[in-house]
Amino acid sequence: KAGVTQTPRYLIKTRGQQVTLSCSPISGHRSVSWYQQTPGQGLQFLFEYFSETQRNKGNFPGRFSGRQFSNSRSEMNVSTLELGDSALYLCASSLYDGEKLFFGSGTQLSVL
Amino acid sequence: GENVEQHPSTLSVQEGDSAVIKCTYSDSASNYFPWYKQELGKGPQLIIDIRSNVGEKKDQRIAVTLNKTAKHFSLHITETQPEDSAVYFCAATMVQGAQKLVFGQGTRLTINP
Repeated sequence: KAGVTQTPRYLIKTRGQQVTLSCSPISGHRSVSWYQQTPGQGLQFLFEYFSETQRNKGNFPGRFSGRQFSNSRSEMNVSTLELGDSALYLCASSLYDGEKLFFGSGTQLSVL
Repeated sequence: GENVEQHPSTLSVQEGDSAVIKCTYSDSASNYFPWYKQELGKGPQLIIDIRSNVGEKKDQRIAVTLNKTAKHFSLHITETQPEDSAVYFCAATMVQGAQKLVFGQGTRLTINP
């Protein structure tokens, strides 16, 4: 069974630009979550989607948004990029509500 | 909201010895506690988890214990091997149909041959 797939693996953007990251969950998983990982703040929850509905959202500005499609694939978008948005963005999927999250390898975003 | 503290931030042990990582959580409503291992260039990998109705869980060389009264839980790795070297994260959440893991800051474990 294929794991969680995130694309692209690396991204370099400049301040003010916007970026879209993609996540394909494990087949059959309907819950998709996004996390931001930085050396200073660690792993922080961005948002979680289930059956195309956002069920929970972390404490991030409105520049961070996401969506989930009918096939459970998810995208997250960051608009008006800032230097502080440089981070590893991780997607996770789960079969059971609230348990056993399986993470992808992440998208490393660098904002110059 | 939930807050998870993890100690130590770095841990170095000799191959074959045991390693223990400890976490405390603040929200007594939390009822699910997973542990993740993250290797360089990879995403976190779930290695073991425990629900609040269980005090201890074991999987080969890895075990997790939970003390609900004190609101702390620990990861125990026995007979450590070089491949155990990684960053380990604890997390806590309240399972209620909307996943939101709160992670500890991580422990960098180094196994010395």
